[in-house]
Amino acid sequence: DAGVIQSPRHEVTEMGQEVTLRCKPISGHNSLFWYRQTMMRGLELLIYFNNNVPIDDSGMPEDRFSAKMPNASFSTLKIQPSEPRDSAVYFCASSSSYYRQETQYFGPGTRLLVL
Amino acid sequence: GENVEQHPSTLSVQEGDSAVIKCTYSDSASNYFPWYKQELGKRPQLIIDIRSNVGEKKDQRIAVTLNKTAKHFSLHITETQPEDSAVYFCAASRDYKLSFGAGTTVTVRA
Repeated sequence: DAGVIQSPRHEVTEMGQEVTLRCKPISGHNSLFWYRQTMMRGLELLIYFNNNVPIDDSGMPEDRFSAKMPNASFSTLKIQPSEPRDSAVYFCASSSSYYRQETQYFGPGTRLLVL
Repeated sequence: GENVEQHPSTLSVQEGDSAVIKCTYSDSASNYFPWYKQELGKRPQLIIDIRSNVGEKKDQRIAVTLNKTAKHFSLHITETQPEDSAVYFCAASRDYKLSFGAGTTVTVRA
C-alpha cells in the first residue's frame, strides 16, 4: 500500500492567493483528518470526515478555510485568500474506524509558506 | 475539551541509557493513548498505543504505562540508540479526536 498521499509537498504563494492542498487516504479507510502543525500551536485537528461526510469542523480557523471530500479516495483543503499566518505544515491522516479510535496514518505533509 | 500536558519538552540521554516521557490528561473519559514519533521533516508515525483496559504495554525497547486514576501515562525507551533521536508526541482520545501533547525533543548522544 502506498500510504496516505498528499500533494503538493511544498507550496510557496503570495498573500491573497488561493491555495489547494490534496489528499488521497489509504484505500479502505473510512476516516480522514486534516491537521495543521506549527511551532507555536503544535498539532491541531482542523476537520474530520467519516465516510466522506464532515463530522467535526470546529478546528477550522475561519471562513477562509474550507475542506471537501467528494469521494472515498480524495479530499481537498482550500485556503482563500491565504495569509502569512497560514504558513505551516498541513498533514492529512486516515484511519479505519469511527466509534473506536484506531491508528491514524499520516501523509508526508504539505509545507506551506505564504509570503 | 481534552487537555494533554507533556514533560519534559527536551531530553538529552547518553546512548544506551533510558528515556522517560510523561503526559497527563484532563478528560477522565479518554480511553485511547497513542504515542507518535516524528523525525525532522517527516510525518508523525505511531510507535505504540495503549487502551484504558490495559495498564502497561511493551514492544521491544519501548513500553507505555497508564494510570487512569491519576490520569497520566508514560513512554519508556530502554537502551536508547541514535535513531531514537526525534520528537515524541503523546495523545489522548475518547472517540475520533486525538488531543496531542506539545512534544518532547529527544536527543541521544553517542
